[in-house]
Amino acid sequence: DVKVTQSSRYLVKRTGEKVFLECVQDMDHENMFWYRQDPGLGLRLIYFSYDVKMKEKGDIPEGYSVSREKKERFSLILESASTNQTSMYLCASRTGLSSYNSPLHFGNGTRLTVT
Amino acid sequence: QKEVEQNSGPLSVPEGAIASLNCTYSDRVSQSFFWYRQYSGKSPELIMSIYSNGDKEDGRFTAQLNKASQYVSLLIRDSQPSDSATYLCAVKNDNYGQNFVFGPGTRLSVLP
Repeated sequence: DVKVTQSSRYLVKRTGEKVFLECVQDMDHENMFWYRQDPGLGLRLIYFSYDVKMKEKGDIPEGYSVSREKKERFSLILESASTNQTSMYLCASRTGLSSYNSPLHFGNGTRLTVT
Repeated sequence: QKEVEQNSGPLSVPEGAIASLNCTYSDRVSQSFFWYRQYSGKSPELIMSIYSNGDKEDGRFTAQLNKASQYVSLLIRDSQPSDSATYLCAVKNDNYGQNFVFGPGTRLSVLP
């Protein structure tokens, strides 16, 4: 089974702090994603990466950056946390092989509260 | 235009009944369709995927796809209280690159 591990289940940070969310997958997947999920807004893509050191903006990249130095690890960075970034953050991975029919595999999520 | 629509619910069914969850999508060239189940406070977990028109069965779950009508559904037979969750429909289309487009989810409540 694919395992996607997010380093923190719950985080509480202060406004203006730099926040790192870490995600590791164990299936050698090429593609990794960061989503946020908010009530009434559903799942929205922040960034994704299709290879080491490669990244693409998603639908809502403002206020975020990402890092992928190793294939198995994809980090989401909130440069200066704000209260409107309080949300559930979901990391996902996906194989690039037979890509059109392979699903996303999600981590357990990080619930971030910015005060 | 990328839109995936679902009835937000809640959809309430009695235990043992068939629950029918529906999803429509706007982009006709969409290729792959996925159903995820999400319990409150948890992350989405994959239930089924479907790529070809028709039905696909897996245990108590049946996914149905009609590309002409741009419609995909999930049937849950012999519904159990443990099926109570939000069900997310996701659509994959190479025009969006690697991204999936998710519907808002339908909240299902199975009443004992």
